[in-house]
Amino acid sequence: QVQLVESGGGLVKPGGSLRLSCAASGFTLGDYYMSWIRQAPGKGLEWVSYISNSGSVIYYADSVKGRFTISRDNAKNSLYLQMNSLRAEDTAVYYCARDGWFGESISWGQGTLVTVAS
Amino acid sequence: DIQMTQSPSSLSASIGDRVTITCRASQDISNYLAWYQQKPGKVPNLLISAASTLQSGVPSRFSGSGSGTDFTLTINSLQPEDVATYFCQKYNIAPRTFGQGTKVEIK
Repeated sequence: QVQLVESGGGLVKPGGSLRLSCAASGFTLGDYYMSWIRQAPGKGLEWVSYISNSGSVIYYADSVKGRFTISRDNAKNSLYLQMNSLRAEDTAVYYCARDGWFGESISWGQGTLVTVAS
Repeated sequence: DIQMTQSPSSLSASIGDRVTITCRASQDISNYLAWYQQKPGKVPNLLISAASTLQSGVPSRFSGSGSGTDFTLTINSLQPEDVATYFCQKYNIAPRTFGQGTKVEIK
């Protein structure tokens, strides 16, 4: 069955960096677009970024553009999110998701919590 | 960017009631609209894609409709297990914006 497992979250100081990973299993990662979506504590969902199956097409939300970098290694069945210049408002649970054929998020991981605080 | 506005932000209804949640896009998004259910403490789950296509395993009391700018999620005969927050999302082009969510509770 499809499984997505995020890792790499934790406590980081403002201005710091973190790299999130998402390990995929149960399907061929290279066949799918993938997304990162976040949810601040007690708040709604915020789309962060998506990457095409080959990695050639990438988009970011304005709130993270220039600070976050999405990437993937299909051979390692892994998706990544490099987060630099972190701010308090980046505090959230970060989910990776497998996209459907048109961009809907059909499968989600359990999420990893990122806390940005001094 | 296209904005997604959900209403109401919360509602309380009785078991067996019909519940309707609306989602309005600030521009035409055709039918590139998804609905997600997030139960308390759980991961979001895709209920409906393409505005009206029910995902496998989703109870038939859930339905979606609409096209263009106005969309509706309907729960026919609300059940206790439907207590959750529901989000719409447009996914035609980036940014794939979510609505702010509608919290559904039992009266």
